[in-house]
Amino acid sequence: EVQLVQSGAEVKKPGESLKISCKGSGYSFSSHWTGWVRQMPGKGLEWMGIIYPGDSDTRYSPSFQGQVTMSVDKSISTAYLQWSSLKASDTAMYYCARYGDYGGYFQHWGQGTLVTVSS
Amino acid sequence: EIVLTQSPGTLSLSPGERATLSCRASQSVSSSYLAWYQQKPGQAPRLLIYGASSRATGIPDRFSGSGSGTDFTLTISRLEPEDFAVYYCQHYATSAPFTFGPGTKVDIK
Repeated sequence: EVQLVQSGAEVKKPGESLKISCKGSGYSFSSHWTGWVRQMPGKGLEWMGIIYPGDSDTRYSPSFQGQVTMSVDKSISTAYLQWSSLKASDTAMYYCARYGDYGGYFQHWGQGTLVTVSS
Repeated sequence: EIVLTQSPGTLSLSPGERATLSCRASQSVSSSYLAWYQQKPGQAPRLLIYGASSRATGIPDRFSGSGSGTDFTLTISRLEPEDFAVYYCQHYATSAPFTFGPGTKVDIK
């Protein structure tokens, strides 16, 4: 069974750094694109970007380019999303998701990580 | 970048009724690379449809997708109580970003 398990909720202050994780299991982690989706409180889904664990090829949405960094550690089947300096506007639920077998849709989703940034 | 619009914003229906949700793209979505997701409060989204019309594993056949080019439709033939949720379309054609539409909320009339 494919599973994506994300790290727990975080409460941070503006200006702090943060790295959240997404551990895949039940499939060949290196062979499937993994993506990140933001959902701000009460709002819709925003496609942030994707990373191919096999070679760390990364594609960012222009809206998120330079604001976050995606990375992977293939040895532990884990993808990461990190911020170097959080802002209050980064407060949101962040989902990781795995590509489908036939294209760039997200077939499998993590449970989400709630990030709260507040002074 | 392809922009998706969804209509209506909210659809108020009763259990047993038919729901028709629309997703329109700002440019043609090649090879019908369009997906639909369902999201319930407090839950992660769930894939319903990919390739415009292929049901994902375990999705009931009351859910169907259709369309091509710039106009796509998600139809729920007879609404069950568990179908009241928010529905998003997403394209995955050409190059990233593979944007989502703003969503349609299906609520109980």
